[in-house]
Amino acid sequence: DAKTTQPNSMESNEEEPVHLPCNHSTISGTDYIHWYRQLPSQGPEYVIHGLTSNVNNRMASLAIAEDRKSSTLILHRATLRDAAVYYCIRVAGGTSYGKLTFGQGTILTVHP
Amino acid sequence: DAGVIQSPRHEVTEMGQEVTLRCKPISGHDYLFWYRQTMMRGLELLIYFNNNVPIDDSGMPEDRFSAKMPNASFSTLKIQPSEPRDSAVYFCAVGKSGTNYGYTFGSGTRLTVV
Repeated sequence: DAKTTQPNSMESNEEEPVHLPCNHSTISGTDYIHWYRQLPSQGPEYVIHGLTSNVNNRMASLAIAEDRKSSTLILHRATLRDAAVYYCIRVAGGTSYGKLTFGQGTILTVHP
Repeated sequence: DAGVIQSPRHEVTEMGQEVTLRCKPISGHDYLFWYRQTMMRGLELLIYFNNNVPIDDSGMPEDRFSAKMPNASFSTLKIQPSEPRDSAVYFCAVGKSGTNYGYTFGSGTRLTVV
């Protein structure tokens, strides 16, 4: 799977929204965008994924640019428990299942 | 559902010894992945299975590593002989095709080879 580009780190204050960007300028039409996060000393945790349309679930929202070359994970109200490494991953192929290739991710720090 | 169960949680072994890591997937999930995480290299996919059949083992570092999935309820990752550079956290993850959900990871096995 080809790489995505994310900022190394971001900071937020508790109760505020957080927008985590991801660049995937070489994405193909059948690639899905997946987001995972990894809390300290835990395994990665699925957050959300999408193809073309914006997606919402109980954890977050995913906004995908119209040209699909970038996306943004939105945490509507950050809590201290949201402090983690967030990974944006392209999943190649015509299915939402395939191997996940993790990059370095974005380290999110949430301040009280 | 207990989720993905990995054992042991921690393993300390001496160089040259055989190490076996175990994973019990969630029932009904047809994909199983083995990942390794180190500070230097991050999360690396080692191998994955679909319906118990290995699909891609290109991430397995060398012949010392082997993985099996004899049935849908169990998978093992074996390192023989182990070396200090194999020290890492090893994660097992599962997925279920046809669902609108991502993969579920286990809590990992922290391996230390001394």
